[in-house]
Amino acid sequence: AQSVTQLDSQVPVFEEAPVELRCNYSSSVSVYLFWYVQYPNQGLQLLLKYLSGSTLVKGINGFEAEFNKSQTSFHLRKPSVHISDTAEYFCAVSVGGSEKLVFGKGTKLTVNP
Amino acid sequence: DSGVTQTPKHLITATGQRVTLRCSPRSGDLSVYWYQQSLDQGLQFLIQYYNGEERAKGNILERFSAQQFPDLHSELNLSSLELGDSALYFCASSVGVSRGGYTFGSGTRLTVV
Repeated sequence: AQSVTQLDSQVPVFEEAPVELRCNYSSSVSVYLFWYVQYPNQGLQLLLKYLSGSTLVKGINGFEAEFNKSQTSFHLRKPSVHISDTAEYFCAVSVGGSEKLVFGKGTKLTVNP
Repeated sequence: DSGVTQTPKHLITATGQRVTLRCSPRSGDLSVYWYQQSLDQGLQFLIQYYNGEERAKGNILERFSAQQFPDLHSELNLSSLELGDSALYFCASSVGVSRGGYTFGSGTRLTVV
């Protein structure tokens, strides 16, 4: 069964610093990849997605991610974070055309002033 | 507002009871997915319906069942509730993962006492 590994459960950073949230998946077949953000007491909101084409994907709120097939990774980056980016971030994968999304355990990003 | 509506937002009930969670998908979406989010298990896929028919099943207990009605709204029924069933239950809808992933509702927080 496919799996998604988010290597860091918690990432603290200072405001205006860059951040990278790591995500690796296990699959040798075609995948669709997603990052979602969950603010406290809210549902999950789609940040960005990779379906095909360019491996560098830009999303909302200044986030971007790069699909690396050889390393089976889809790391999320932002060059300068804000206090309002404090939230939990989930990486998700759909494998081989499956309609089911498998989610990682999540990474809690805390942006400190 | 994501367009996916879940009711109720909060539910407190006693062990052994039965509850029904309701979800109205985004307009035009035929697929509905149910996920359970808990601190120890993360986001776990429960079940998917597509246009009224069960399409995929995940880690759903036999005490749990779901259905999708002709108007495409879905209900998740949880019976013989146990303390461990306390969690956030999310509904999501989609026109197809290959066309952009899921849209999530804001969830129902179930507390079993």
